[in-house]
Amino acid sequence: SQELEQSPQSLIVQEGKNLTINCTSSKTLYGLYWYKQKYGEGLIFLMMLQKGGEEKSHEKITAKLDEKKQQSSLHITASQPSHAGIYLCGADGAGGGADGLTFGKGTHLIIQP
Amino acid sequence: DTEVTQTPKHLVMGMTNKKSLKCEQHMGHRAMYWYKQKAKKPPELMFVYSYEKLSINESVPSRFSPECPNSSLLNLHLHALQPEDSALYLCASSQDWGLQQPQHFGDGTRLSIL
Repeated sequence: SQELEQSPQSLIVQEGKNLTINCTSSKTLYGLYWYKQKYGEGLIFLMMLQKGGEEKSHEKITAKLDEKKQQSSLHITASQPSHAGIYLCGADGAGGGADGLTFGKGTHLIIQP
Repeated sequence: DTEVTQTPKHLVMGMTNKKSLKCEQHMGHRAMYWYKQKAKKPPELMFVYSYEKLSINESVPSRFSPECPNSSLLNLHLHALQPEDSALYLCASSQDWGLQQPQHFGDGTRLSIL
């Protein structure tokens, strides 16, 4: 079965600073998804990556998938309090949603004013 | 605001009770999912429905019984649950099940078993 390792587990960043979260897979990634979760709430979809070398951006968040399709990074520029939360990377298999999503353990992001 | 609606938001029940969790989406998605999330853990897949048929049951105990009455609705029937079943139950949907597509999640039902 596929395993996703996220690092760091937690991150405290001063407001306005940049940060990066990493997600490494034990197998080739077919679809890699980034989600954000506030404690006790649902997951908010951020971005999906499929192709090696792919990069996507939305507002101040950029996600990349490496050429070998086994590692992804999520980069936040000029962090704001609204970025605080738990970031989860998720992956599905070659069968897409038929396999459901496997998640990493998450990165807890705290933004200090 | 999420396009996947889950009710109730909170549920407290005894071990002998029977209750149901409901999930609804009106995005025309044909795949729906149940996940279980324990505190400080990532969500874990329980069931996958595609075109209203159960396609995956991840070795979930029979005290959890899913039902998909139509393409917009997904229920999870609960009976004789154990205290360790206390968790956040998340429903998700995606456009189709065989392709790489994002899953959209509801806000979850927080379940507490007394």
